[in-house]
Amino acid sequence: DAKTTQPTSMDCAEGRAANLPCNHSTISGNEYVYWYRQIHSQGPQYIIHGLKNNETNEMASLIITEDRKSSTLILPHATLRDTAVYYCIVRDPETQGGSEKLVFGKGTKLTVNP
Amino acid sequence: EPEVTQTPSHQVTQMGQEVILRCVPISNHLYFYWYRQILGQKVEFLVSFYNNEISEKSEIFDDQFSVERPDGSNFTLKIRSTKLEDSAMYFCASRRTLGYGYTFGSGTRLTVV
Repeated sequence: DAKTTQPTSMDCAEGRAANLPCNHSTISGNEYVYWYRQIHSQGPQYIIHGLKNNETNEMASLIITEDRKSSTLILPHATLRDTAVYYCIVRDPETQGGSEKLVFGKGTKLTVNP
Repeated sequence: EPEVTQTPSHQVTQMGQEVILRCVPISNHLYFYWYRQILGQKVEFLVSFYNNEISEKSEIFDDQFSVERPDGSNFTLKIRSTKLEDSAMYFCASRRTLGYGYTFGSGTRLTVV
């Protein structure tokens, strides 16, 4: 499996940008980087994904380095409701049949403070 | 926004009993999954399902587990003889096609006593 490394926890002030880093130095050429988050014990929520170009949607921006060995998820104006565990996931290269299962790590616990 | 719906939200069962966890994926999605999360631990992949058959399963998904899509809308996970260690949150997920993000349901908390 391609592995990812994320900080265990981060804090951010409400209204400020939250920048969550992820290292994926063993990522291979056709693998995407996905970001999900899990608020308390709810089901994981898809945020964004990308291959090599930077991506932006209504929730966040994803910046991927040119060598693709790391990425940063940016929440531009964090709110208290963004407090969650954020997972950076690289598509499992050993997937058979194209199911693209997700392999979750421990993620980053982001706490947004008032 | 379309949702993945799971029922029940919480199920308590006695050890050795059979349980069926139900999911209604998003209607135009083609790939279906079950994951579980034991309290305080990582989210773990159980099984993926495509074109009416299992496409991949984990070591956790042994002979006690089975999945079915009986009527084209529901997607079920059956545990034949529950064990205490099956207590966990079970999440159903679906995706439209490869390369898209998953949509997860809100989960079923299974408690085996």
